[in-house]
Amino acid sequence: EAQVTQNPRYLITVTGKKLTVTCSQNMNHEYMSWYRQDPGLGLRQIYYSMNVEVTDKGDVPEGYKVSRKEKRNFPLILESPSPNQTSLYFCASSFGTSGVVGELFFGEGSRLTVL
Amino acid sequence: GENVEQHPSTLSVQEGDSAVIKCTYSDSASNYFPWYKQELGKRPQLIIDIRSNVGEKKDQRIAVTLNKTAKHFSLHITETQPEDSAVYFCAADFGNEKLTFGTGTRLTIIP
Repeated sequence: EAQVTQNPRYLITVTGKKLTVTCSQNMNHEYMSWYRQDPGLGLRQIYYSMNVEVTDKGDVPEGYKVSRKEKRNFPLILESPSPNQTSLYFCASSFGTSGVVGELFFGEGSRLTVL
Repeated sequence: GENVEQHPSTLSVQEGDSAVIKCTYSDSASNYFPWYKQELGKRPQLIIDIRSNVGEKKDQRIAVTLNKTAKHFSLHITETQPEDSAVYFCAADFGNEKLTFGTGTRLTIIP
């Protein structure tokens, strides 16, 4: 089954404790991206990657890191989480051909709470 | 900078009536405009999209119209049903490998 898998789905942590949210896709997609969803603000892009070893900042990259060592995986790293990073996070992927992102396939979301 | 504005933020419609959601975008270079539907507690999923060389696209009860001159596009849902209740997001691809989303419209269908 074609899918984007994120883990963990739910996490409660404390300020400053490093955490990683994993994302994996099995559709051989070139493009992968992370979004955060907050009430009234919609989906805001954190980071994206057009290909292996190529990553770039989205609209709200502060406090986050990513890596793309393999085509299928795109982990989101919070080195020192703060309460303002409490949010619902979505990983997404697409074929991303000819410079157009195309249809995004989203993971199920990871709800993160930072105390 | 690239920006997508979406209106209204909430919309209540009597079952069977039509619903219209509108979005405007800032960059005339945009060439791809998708709409995503997010049911409560679920992930966003693409329901329809349109490219800049087309003015209108239909898929059963949903349609999208695009006015490139005015830089706006709209989602039209006819004969609304309870399962249409969800949050709808418009988006625009500004050709820079980024997809920018609007802030969403919560559509409620009143039985």
